[in-house]
Amino acid sequence: ELKVEQNPLFLSMQEGKNYTIYCNYSTTSDRLYWYRQDPGKSLESLFVLLSNGAVKQEGRLMASLDTKARLSTLHITAAVHDLSATYFCAVDTSAGNTGKLIFGQGTTLQVKP
Amino acid sequence: SQTIHQWPATLVQPVGSPLSLECTVEGTSNPNLYWYRQAAGRGLQLLFYSVGIGQISSEVPQNLSASRPQDRQFILSSKKLLLSDSGFYLCAWSPMNTEAFFGQGTRLTVV
Repeated sequence: ELKVEQNPLFLSMQEGKNYTIYCNYSTTSDRLYWYRQDPGKSLESLFVLLSNGAVKQEGRLMASLDTKARLSTLHITAAVHDLSATYFCAVDTSAGNTGKLIFGQGTTLQVKP
Repeated sequence: SQTIHQWPATLVQPVGSPLSLECTVEGTSNPNLYWYRQAAGRGLQLLFYSVGIGQISSEVPQNLSASRPQDRQFILSSKKLLLSDSGFYLCAWSPMNTEAFFGQGTRLTVV
């Protein structure tokens, strides 16, 4: 059974600081996604990582994928309050191209002024 | 462009009452469709997925069912709701081999 684990589950940080969220998964997959969820809202797609070594950047967020280590990271650079949200990684189980996603538990990020 | 509609946004239902949540996708054909549930403060759990009309796969045994009567319509139902059915229900669609796009969600409270 595929398991996806995020670390940490809660992160409180000061504006201007850097930090990394980790996403480990238990079986082979070469498709990993990062989503953002604001309180009470739906999920917004942030990054699509489709191959080993993939790196994507958008503003202060950068995501990478190491399929050999079964690890993805979401790096936050010089955090600002607007980045406060819950971040989920999700792994595509790729069973017959069904696109089924298994989600991590989510990391709640709180950026303090 | 593609859009996904999900309704209602909020629902309060008594225990034992039926449920019907509807989701439709516009601007694409033959999408993969999904129902996820998010319990309070938790991650997302895949409930059902469909790769075509009338094709439904259930991921977890539960009190819910799903149907896909048309290509771009996905319905989540229950005959009798339980307290444990409370949660945030999200419909999603995806083209093949790329990320899922989520609807706005339905917050269901069973009382």
